[in-house]
Amino acid sequence: GAGVSQSPSNKVTEKGKDVELRCDPISGHTALYWYRQSLGQGLEFLIYFQGNSAPDKSGLPSDRFSAERTGGSVSTLTIQRTQQEDSAVYLCASSLGWRGAWETQYFGPGTRLLVL
Amino acid sequence: AQTVTQSQPEMSVQEAETVTLSCTYDTSENNYYLFWYKQPPSRQMILVIRQEAYKQQNATENRFSVNFQKAAKSFSLKISDSQLGDTAMYFCAFMKPGGGSNYKLTFGKGTLLTVNP
Repeated sequence: GAGVSQSPSNKVTEKGKDVELRCDPISGHTALYWYRQSLGQGLEFLIYFQGNSAPDKSGLPSDRFSAERTGGSVSTLTIQRTQQEDSAVYLCASSLGWRGAWETQYFGPGTRLLVL
Repeated sequence: AQTVTQSQPEMSVQEAETVTLSCTYDTSENNYYLFWYKQPPSRQMILVIRQEAYKQQNATENRFSVNFQKAAKSFSLKISDSQLGDTAMYFCAFMKPGGGSNYKLTFGKGTLLTVNP
């Protein structure tokens, strides 16, 4: 596609339920990032995928959070047993993956998650 | 760990005027990368401008320019001839050099800029 897409755009769930957020990166981009944007914490890095390498999960806030990237393309961020503090906008970004820091990260429009 | 501070939560400017957004950061690295991202109400983050720390010349992109003061660890964004479409949240961001997950961005809290007609 022309840009990074994310679905759903908005998600309302009840405390304790599991949710899955999806990211479709730009075709050909091997690097993929998940960030969380919340009122209290601002923008935080969650996880990074690069090609077939093991992902960097250092930003995941708890073991309730997990992510996978199938076939080096689409990524799914899963939050188990959601809590109210998980309410935030979840942003996905992708980049070429070979030009290092000089390459641009292209962001999707995000998924706004509200946990009631 | 790196930290990025944006001391101005909100700013406003009249259309066609110039505005400067402040950003300071803290790092022990000698080389690194700095970015300004714009987030309009659509939520989609857009790269505005970037600077490599080892380059002394300030980056410019059309109406956007930066004032990079490495010793002071300051990286301000100047928007000239402000336009209504510049209304957005602006984030300053830091990236470490090197490979792998060093490519993750560390963001400031953001500055909400409103351009008034």
